[in-house]
Amino acid sequence: AQSVAQPEDQVNVAEGNPLTVKCTYSVSGNPYLFWYVQYPNRGLQFLLKYITGDNLVKGSYGFEAEFNKSQTSFHLKKPSALVSDSALYFCAVRDGYSSASKIIFGSGTRLSIRP
Amino acid sequence: DSGVTQTPKHLITATGQRVTLRCSPRSGDLSVYWYQQSLDQGLQFLIQYYNGEERAKGNILERFSAQQFPDLHSELNLSSLELGDSALYFCASSPPVLSIGGTEAFFGQGTRLTVV
Repeated sequence: AQSVAQPEDQVNVAEGNPLTVKCTYSVSGNPYLFWYVQYPNRGLQFLLKYITGDNLVKGSYGFEAEFNKSQTSFHLKKPSALVSDSALYFCAVRDGYSSASKIIFGSGTRLSIRP
Repeated sequence: DSGVTQTPKHLITATGQRVTLRCSPRSGDLSVYWYQQSLDQGLQFLIQYYNGEERAKGNILERFSAQQFPDLHSELNLSSLELGDSALYFCASSPPVLSIGGTEAFFGQGTRLTVV
């Protein structure tokens, strides 16, 4: 069965420093991978996705993610963190490309950026 | 604004009661997903509908049921409510699967259910 793991419950970074939020996945076929962000009392906002092609995917708010097939990872990155990036981040995988495919989310990583 | 509308935003009800949560997907989206997020928890996939038919089921309790109507809106019915059912319930929708790039889901703002 497909699954997504986010090994860190919390990541703390100083403003201006680079940040990485880790994600590993397990799927039986080609992975369709996503990152979402959730601000307090809000729904999830789509950040970026990997379907095929270039392993480095660029998304909203300056975020990017690197797909690594050999390590089955899809880590979220940003070169310079902002305090406003503090939020809950979810990695997700779609388990196929059919009308029966569902999107499975990781447990989430709380990102805290200190001034 | 994602284009997915959920009502109501907040709901407070007593144990043993039944509630219905409503979701209107984005225009043109055929898939609707329901997720449960408990306090400081991740997102638990409940159920998915595609063009009116149930297509995938997750860890949905037997006390919970859902349906998607011909106009594509969806309802999640929660019955015999327990204190532990208090959570944020999210609906998401995605475009028809054959559309290029139509893979991600777009989320509503959620319904916060409090069972007292």
